[in-house]
Amino acid sequence: EPEVTQTPSHQVTQMGQEVILRCVPISNHLYFYWYRQILGQKVEFLVSFYNNEISEKSEIFDDQFSVERPDGSNFTLKIRSTKLEDSAMYFCATLSGDGGSPLHFGNGTRLTVT
Amino acid sequence: AQKITQTQPGMFVQEKEAVTLDCTYDTSDPSYGLFWYKQPSSGEMIFLIYQGSYDQQNATEGRYSLNFQKARKSANLVISASQLGDSAMYFCAMREGLNQAGTALIFGKGTTLSVSS
Repeated sequence: EPEVTQTPSHQVTQMGQEVILRCVPISNHLYFYWYRQILGQKVEFLVSFYNNEISEKSEIFDDQFSVERPDGSNFTLKIRSTKLEDSAMYFCATLSGDGGSPLHFGNGTRLTVT
Repeated sequence: AQKITQTQPGMFVQEKEAVTLDCTYDTSDPSYGLFWYKQPSSGEMIFLIYQGSYDQQNATEGRYSLNFQKARKSANLVISASQLGDSAMYFCAMREGLNQAGTALIFGKGTTLSVSS
């Protein structure tokens, strides 16, 4: 079964540094999402992306964050000037387009900011 | 206001018993979908079951069924014949505006299910 692939699985960075989290969506999926889960807590929506544009974003997704699909395959989340509170699991998810279809999640990138 | 409410932080059940995980939701959109995901301790998000707002029948997938009560805005997950491998966090989630592109899937806080032998 096709999978959403996320790299790296774990990233450690120093406060103030920039990180880029990468996702390879399922090939025929049209809608892409980023979610964040602080350890043991709820899964929080960050942003959705369709047709090379942001469709929807949450209040968490401020100027520190950006997304792009630079080469037609990878879907990236950039976090500028990381803070300690950015430490979390970041999930990429994709959707085929059919309204009743579930989001397919990658295995996540655990980001640790020290 | 919370869109998805899961009032049970933790549930305990014995193997082979059935368990119900509660979920209520809040929306004024007539077109929405309700989803349940399982997150084991390894961390991945596993899709379990889906119920559309216009579906007449309750959804079933193997040992999972969804008790959908639209008037009460509840979408409880029923797991029959629990197994040790069912021990995990379970999230209820909702997407509004299913006919629109890229709408967010919003999650509840989750319920931790522990199955004992």
